[in-house]
Amino acid sequence: AQSVTQLDSQVPVFEEAPVELRCNYSSSVSVYLFWYVQYPNQGLQLLLKYLSGSTLVKGINGFEAEFNKSQTSFHLRKPSVHISDTAEYFCAVSGKGSARQLTFGSGTQLTVLP
Amino acid sequence: DTGVSQDPRHKITKRGQNVTFRCDPISEHNRLYWYRQTLGQGPEFLTYFQNEAQLEKSRLLSDRFSAERPKGSFSTLEIQRTEQGDSAMYLCASSLAPAGAEAFFGQGTRLTVV
Repeated sequence: AQSVTQLDSQVPVFEEAPVELRCNYSSSVSVYLFWYVQYPNQGLQLLLKYLSGSTLVKGINGFEAEFNKSQTSFHLRKPSVHISDTAEYFCAVSGKGSARQLTFGSGTQLTVLP
Repeated sequence: DTGVSQDPRHKITKRGQNVTFRCDPISEHNRLYWYRQTLGQGPEFLTYFQNEAQLEKSRLLSDRFSAERPKGSFSTLEIQRTEQGDSAMYLCASSLAPAGAEAFFGQGTRLTVV
C-alpha cells in the first residue's frame, strides 16, 4: 500500500517568484511518481513523471521535480510562476505491480498573485 | 477531440435513486480506471479494467456500486440506492498497459445527491 502527503494545502505566491510544492510518500514497494495539475472545470493533466534514471525530471510549462529516495520526497518546483499557473496540483504514486492505479495526495492549491 | 469523455458532466438525484455514468476512453487504451474525488481531497481509486476484465476493486466500492466495460470499450459506473455520502466527482481515466504509462483523465461527472 502507498500513501502520499502534500504538506501545504494552499500556497500563495507572487507572479515571477519561484515556488516549491512539497510531496512526501510512503510505500512498501518501489513506486513511480507523478505530478498532475487540475485547472478549474478541467480534467487532471500530467505535468511530469519519474519512472527511473535521473532524479531530476523536467515537465511541461517549465515545471521540474526531484526524486529523493532517502527522504521519500518528490517536490515540484518552478523558478518563475505566471498567473496562468494558478491551479490545484496533485502528487501521486503508483506501485510497480500489475494494477498500477494512482494514489493521490490531497492536493495543493497554488494561487499566483499579480 | 480524442480524449477521455464522460457523460453526464453533472447529475443531481434524489436519495435512493439509481444513477449511471458513462466513460469513453481513448480508443487504443486497454486500461480504464474509475476514481472518486470529494471536495478538498485528491482522487481515490475505485476500480480498474484491463480490456473487458475488471481486475481490481477498492474497498471503497460498496455493494451498491457496479462497473462494467463490455467489449473493452466504454465503461459504465452504476450507483444503486444513492446516499448523500455518494456526492462527489467521479473521474474516469485510461491508459496503455506499459509500466508508468500516462493516465489520461476525463473531466468527470459531478454527482449531487439531495
